[in-house]
Amino acid sequence: GAVVSQHPSWVICKSGTSVKIECRSLDFQATTMFWYRQFPKQSLMLMATSNEGSKATYEQGVEKDKFLINHASLTLSTLTVTSAHPEDSSFYICSATQDAGGPADTQYFGPGTRLTVL
Amino acid sequence: DQQVKQNSPSLSVQEGRISILNCDYTNSMFDYFLWYKKYPAEGPTFLISISSIKDKNEDGRFTVFLNKSAKHLSLHIVPSQPGDSAVYFCAASAGTYKYIFGTGTRLKVLA
Repeated sequence: GAVVSQHPSWVICKSGTSVKIECRSLDFQATTMFWYRQFPKQSLMLMATSNEGSKATYEQGVEKDKFLINHASLTLSTLTVTSAHPEDSSFYICSATQDAGGPADTQYFGPGTRLTVL
Repeated sequence: DQQVKQNSPSLSVQEGRISILNCDYTNSMFDYFLWYKKYPAEGPTFLISISSIKDKNEDGRFTVFLNKSAKHLSLHIVPSQPGDSAVYFCAASAGTYKYIFGTGTRLKVLA
């Protein structure tokens, strides 16, 4: 099946620094990629949707200047958490779809990245 | 406001028996529902889906039932196998790419 990877799988950083998380589709071209965040014992929350070559669409309440998303190619999207603070500590997970991004298009998820901000 | 709820955080079932995972939703605009399975240190993997025009969809050992009037869906696994032990998430969509996920149910199948 379609494989999505994320790097790094976990990262610890100091408050005020920026962290970049990569999401790659390994065996398919991802027209649309999604970034989610999951806090402990809570559900996956969609943060933003990105299409290759265009600006990401952010969900309500998600600061686009804090969570920079770049979908530079059909196989790579990056999420940069700028000026990270302890409250940004969370599990970040991406997904990708090779179709048009409609509801019936299967999203393939990466393994996630655990971010801890000290 | 949690639009998709999985009220059972965990479930234990004997191998060979039926596992029933439940999911309730509040938004009547949801018209597409999915189940994902997640193993530790891996991302969720798609399991099965159902659109609101159907009330049942079957794929091998997995069957999803949708009761629109009750705003309830369930996933049946028959027979349950130890390899089915994982966290199961239900998700719903209202005609868009945006999935609303439940908090998950951890299934443990006992050998």
